[in-house]
Amino acid sequence: TQLLEQSPQFLSIQEGENLTVYCNSSSVFSSLQWYRQEPGEGPVLLVTVVTGGEVKKLKRLTFQFGDARKDSSLHITAAQPGDTGLYLCAGASSSGSARQLTFGSGTQLTVLP
Amino acid sequence: DAGVIQSPRHEVTEMGQEVTLRCKPISGHNSLFWYRQTMMRGLELLIYFNNNVPIDDSGMPEDRFSAKMPNASFSTLKIQPSEPRDSAVYFCASSHSNPGFQFFGPGTRLTVL
Repeated sequence: TQLLEQSPQFLSIQEGENLTVYCNSSSVFSSLQWYRQEPGEGPVLLVTVVTGGEVKKLKRLTFQFGDARKDSSLHITAAQPGDTGLYLCAGASSSGSARQLTFGSGTQLTVLP
Repeated sequence: DAGVIQSPRHEVTEMGQEVTLRCKPISGHNSLFWYRQTMMRGLELLIYFNNNVPIDDSGMPEDRFSAKMPNASFSTLKIQPSEPRDSAVYFCASSHSNPGFQFFGPGTRLTVL
C-alpha cells in the first residue's frame, strides 16, 4: 500500500508570512498533484508535477517534485487569507491501477488577516 | 461547462435505512471515482470505474456498500443498511483516461443517526 504523509497537519500563520508544506512517501510516483479544498466543496486541482526535480510556479505558489519522485513540497510566498484551505497532495502510480490516486492526509492552512 | 454533479448535497437518515448517492460525471470523461472523507481517515478511495466498468473496489469498506455505473453519465453509491460510522462526506470525481486531473463534485454530506 502506498502512503503519502503530509506535514504539518495544521498551520496557522499571519498574512504576509511564507510557508512550506511537505508531502513524503517511500514509494515512487509517476506524477504528483496538489489540490486545495475549501469548506463545503470538493478538492480543486492546483498543479501536476511529472518529472523528478520539476518546479512549477502558480503566482505565489511554488511546487517542487523530488528528484526521486517520492516527495514534493508546496511553498507559498506572502500568504493571504484567501489561501486558507485544506491542501492535499496526491500521487499517481503508473503500475497496477494506473488511474488511481493516493491522497495524503492533508494540511489545514489558516491565514489570519 | 457543468462540473461533476452530485445529489443530494446533504442527507440525514436513521441507522438501518438505505442511502443512495448519485453522481453525474463531466461529459466525455471515462473514469469515475467515489471517495469518502472524514476527519479521522482523510480522503479515501472507495471504488473507481473506467468506461463504466468497476476496476478497483478494494476500498469499499464492506458488503453494505455497493456502486453501479449503468452508463457513462450516471453512477450511484448505495449503503444498505446504513450505520452511524458511515457518516462522512462522499465525493464523486471524474477524469479522462490519464491518471490525475480528477475533477471533484461538491460532495454529499451524509449523517446517519
